[in-house]
Amino acid sequence: NAGVTQTPKFRILKIGQSMTLQCTQDMNHNYMYWYRQDPGMGLKLIYYSVGAGITDKGEVPNGYNVSRSTTEDFPLRLELAAPSQTSVYFCASSYSQGGNTIYFGEGSWLTVV
Amino acid sequence: KNEVEQSPQNLTAQEGEFITINCSYSVGISALHWLQQHPGGGIVSLFMLSSGKKKHGRLIATINIQEKHSSLHITASHPRDSAVYICAVPSNFGNEKLTFGTGTRLTIIP
Repeated sequence: NAGVTQTPKFRILKIGQSMTLQCTQDMNHNYMYWYRQDPGMGLKLIYYSVGAGITDKGEVPNGYNVSRSTTEDFPLRLELAAPSQTSVYFCASSYSQGGNTIYFGEGSWLTVV
Repeated sequence: KNEVEQSPQNLTAQEGEFITINCSYSVGISALHWLQQHPGGGIVSLFMLSSGKKKHGRLIATINIQEKHSSLHITASHPRDSAVYICAVPSNFGNEKLTFGTGTRLTIIP
């Protein structure tokens, strides 16, 4: 099993550009999450999904969009990138809700200039 | 919403020392997670526990549900244990969304 795979690992964007962070898991997990991690702060939930076709907002959804067309894939779309979106992004998955082990991707370092 | 506090924020110790990292939360939970984030950035799950104690190698995690407190212990610490240790709890009881602590940065000096 590859676990949770996210790409790209590093990206520099100009203000106003758009991009998609890809996330794939091969563990047949229902729950998938996107977090951002800013220096000195805990991980903040951007969006999450409890299954294919179902997504919901987390704490900090503004400026992002997601889709979940399959169980495996959960891409995160940044529209009109802003410097405030400079952060490290983590995709994660788990079999079900908070009482199950959560698996993280390697992280994506995004800089908006 | 659950509030999570970790202490200490930073910890430097000599190789071989016994390490304790603490986590307190405000709302009753179904389970608590301990995560390790390596200097390269990757995050791995160390423990998920809902009561008592769990042990994996030199790592021990305990939880006191009544006190809303958990500790992560490392015995015979080694420089490779240097990492950020993060505590996470469900935002509300049984909720799928986690609230994360800001982490404890541990540095073990040879």
